[in-house]
Amino acid sequence: KNEVEQSPQNLTAQEGEFITINCSYSVGISALHWLQQHPGGGIVSLFMLSSGKKKHGRLIATINIQEKHSSLHITASHPRDSAVYICAVNHINKLVFGAGTILRVKS
Amino acid sequence: DVKVTQSSRYLVKRTGEKVFLECVQDMDHENMFWYRQDPGLGLRLIYFSYDVKMKEKGDIPEGYSVSREKKERFSLILESASTNQTSMYLCASTTYRQGLMNTEAFFGQGTRLTVV
Repeated sequence: KNEVEQSPQNLTAQEGEFITINCSYSVGISALHWLQQHPGGGIVSLFMLSSGKKKHGRLIATINIQEKHSSLHITASHPRDSAVYICAVNHINKLVFGAGTILRVKS
Repeated sequence: DVKVTQSSRYLVKRTGEKVFLECVQDMDHENMFWYRQDPGLGLRLIYFSYDVKMKEKGDIPEGYSVSREKKERFSLILESASTNQTSMYLCASTTYRQGLMNTEAFFGQGTRLTVV
């Protein structure tokens, strides 16, 4: 079993829909990151969380430390949100990555 | 304000060549990492370093070596490039502030290496 599990693996949404991507982890962490990677592009850090909730524009990230679970929400989704979203955790000074969620938003 | 810089975005090398991928961070982070990203396999750890001149093998170190002569620079070396090393390579750096339960992590833009 992977230490960081993401769901769903693939997600197709219609423009304007509310999107949720989930991340569960099985190890102790000091922080959790949500990353975005556009096709052919580099990886961009969206959020770093150690507790609670963060919001940036249409993106919201939450974390529940007790349940070892985090969610990334996208409100009013747009085709430009199409990308791979990756969850990563800091575990004993290492970064452990989830497999990523491929999001496609259709207009 | 770029914090982690990888020397090249795209690189094409011939089989058997020695290849250097450079990563520089300007945040005085102790920890630096090299990953490779392949379709269906996600990001896999090649090597990491906790301090200058220190290195630790990750999950897939075969065919690679690293060098960390200065705190800000972590180099990944392919001694003799092979076609199965064609991949996206990602550098990251982190620091952990004891007692604050807060960890910074920053990522380079990635280097897409093609070995022909």
